[in-house]
Amino acid sequence: AQTVTQSQPEMSVQEAETVTLSCTYDTSESDYYLFWYKQPPSRQMILVIRQEAYKQQNATENRFSVNFQKAAKSFSLKISDSQLGDAAMYFCAYRSGYNTDKLIFGTGTRLQVFP
Amino acid sequence: GAGVSQTPSNKVTEKGKYVELRCDPISGHTALYWYRQSLGQGPEFLIYFQGTGAADDSGLPNDRFFAVRPEGSVSTLKIQRTERGDSAVYLCASSQFPGAEQFFGPGTRLTVL
Repeated sequence: AQTVTQSQPEMSVQEAETVTLSCTYDTSESDYYLFWYKQPPSRQMILVIRQEAYKQQNATENRFSVNFQKAAKSFSLKISDSQLGDAAMYFCAYRSGYNTDKLIFGTGTRLQVFP
Repeated sequence: GAGVSQTPSNKVTEKGKYVELRCDPISGHTALYWYRQSLGQGPEFLIYFQGTGAADDSGLPNDRFFAVRPEGSVSTLKIQRTERGDSAVYLCASSQFPGAEQFFGPGTRLTVL
């Protein structure tokens, strides 16, 4: 079975600085997708960024980028120029490329942003 | 136009009671997903529908949990004989088709006393 591990329960960053959130996963599959979701206090999960395992190039969305290390099964999220609105829970998630559409989530990292 | 909506936003019930949680997906989305998020945890998959049928119900914890989507749009998650351990936020998501981005609703917070 696939698992997703987030070893940082909490992280903090100063406004305008850069922070990196860690995620590792375990799978024997070769086709899969990885995601980072943001969950503000409103509870609504918002997709931040997505990475296909077959792509070597790291995904980037504006201030958000990932460091995808397939051999190490590592998928970290880098937030540049942090803003107060980035404060939230961040969840790493895995989706198999075979026969199912379910997401498997890690336990999350709470990000605090200080002015 | 609107996003995924879930009703009620909060539900308090007593142990042993029956509850129904409703999810209205984004119009035109064929796939619908239910997840359960316990305090301090990430969401845990329960079931997903493609159209009216359950494509994967491997996450339903036991036979007290049941979900339907009779017309391929609105879905209802039904929990019988609720237990205190069922207390959690129940999240619904929908996607335009399987494999597409999943859009989440705000969830229903269920509290079983």
